[in-house]
Amino acid sequence: DAKTTQPPSMDCAEGRAANLPCNHSTISGNEYVYWYRQIHSQGPQYIIHGLKNNETNEMASLIITEDRKSSTLILPHATLRDTAVYYCIVRPQGSSNTGKLIFGQGTTLQVKP
Amino acid sequence: EPEVTQTPSHQVTQMGQEVILRCVPISNHLYFYWYRQILGQKVEFLVSFYNNEISEKSEIFDDQFSVERPDGSNFTLKIRSTKLEDSAMYFCASSDFLRGARDTQYFGPGTRLTVL
Repeated sequence: DAKTTQPPSMDCAEGRAANLPCNHSTISGNEYVYWYRQIHSQGPQYIIHGLKNNETNEMASLIITEDRKSSTLILPHATLRDTAVYYCIVRPQGSSNTGKLIFGQGTTLQVKP
Repeated sequence: EPEVTQTPSHQVTQMGQEVILRCVPISNHLYFYWYRQILGQKVEFLVSFYNNEISEKSEIFDDQFSVERPDGSNFTLKIRSTKLEDSAMYFCASSDFLRGARDTQYFGPGTRLTVL
């Protein structure tokens, strides 16, 4: 599985957009980029995923660069409840996907009033 | 909204004792997982389960661990003889689809296991 690199921590002002970067320079063609978050030792929560096109849902937007070597998760209007550890995970699809998620250290996002 | 549930929320046991952690996955899901997180460390994959058998297990999942789906709703993790280093938060997860764009895992709230 491709490895990911994320900054260990970031701050964001409440109401502002939070932009969380992830580097996955060794990603291969059949691998998706997934984002999960973990709020204070709760179970990880799925946010969004994508292959090569930008994606948006009710929680966030995912911007993947054209070469797919990096991506950015955008929380458009961060609230205090978005304070969490955010994980960027690269996973293969197709027959090589065994289902497991490999979590790194993630980025601790602190949203401040 | 459907959710994964886990019981108990906190389990305290003596070293060497057997524990069973219970999970009720989302009802129409077919793929089940256990992960653990030692305090202050990463979430680690333990095992995946599909069609009543283990699909994949990690190095952590040794002979002391076993999983079972005893009926149509529960999914259990058993640790036969607990060690101090088994103290961790254990998360159950389930998904309804593998190998596709809809493959997302939904996690339960976790069981905190404390081994004394």
